Amino acid sequence: AQKITQTQPGMFVQEKEAVTLDCTYDTSDPSYGLFWYKQPSSGEMIFLIYQGSYDQQNATEGRYSLNFQKARKSANLVISASQLGDSAMYFCAMREPMGNDYKLSFGAGTTVTVRA
Amino acid sequence: NAGVTQTPKFQVLKTGQSMTLQCAQDMNHNSMYWYRQDPGMGLRLIYYSASEGTTDKGEVPNGYNVSRLNKREFSLRLESAAPSQTSVYFCASRNHRGVYEQYFGPGTRLTVT
Repeated sequence: AQKITQTQPGMFVQEKEAVTLDCTYDTSDPSYGLFWYKQPSSGEMIFLIYQGSYDQQNATEGRYSLNFQKARKSANLVISASQLGDSAMYFCAMREPMGNDYKLSFGAGTTVTVRA
Repeated sequence: NAGVTQTPKFQVLKTGQSMTLQCAQDMNHNSMYWYRQDPGMGLRLIYYSASEGTTDKGEVPNGYNVSRLNKREFSLRLESAAPSQTSVYFCASRNHRGVYEQYFGPGTRLTVT
């Protein structure tokens, strides 16, 4: 069963506007972490932001913020004041215990295209 | 500080050929991982190594083997490549402090014909 769901395959946003990328997750573990990664066309995976399941406040990192709604099991990424360099694929991922380590389960990703 | 490095960046194999993907990290991380990325499916875990000397299967281990050569290096081997293994392969290592984020290498694009 898919644990991370990203329902938006692709989105267009105008430069300087905000965009929200949806992510819902499924877990029965009370302790988990949620991550967003950016993958530009060059292919590397860049860590953007993290939200822990026990964190009371929504995470923010510069122009990135995470809208965490625990009861709804959603962890949406908001990018404010979009720039052309934000055009990329964005992945939501959940950290889960695995043996004596942790693993990341990824969603299918959302492609964001910023228009000038 | 190079982070996570992978070689090669590109590779084309014929069905049945073998090859080893190399990965190294210089961040003194204990845990290392191999993922594959296929269109529309995000990244899926192939194998991981929680510490030097240990390896374990992830979600999609069939057709692969791994070796944790030392704390820095974690290699992925395809013994008999199949077209279904055409994918982009990422190596990652995990920070053992803070939020335990994973750092990824630049990826290897593998095509099996």
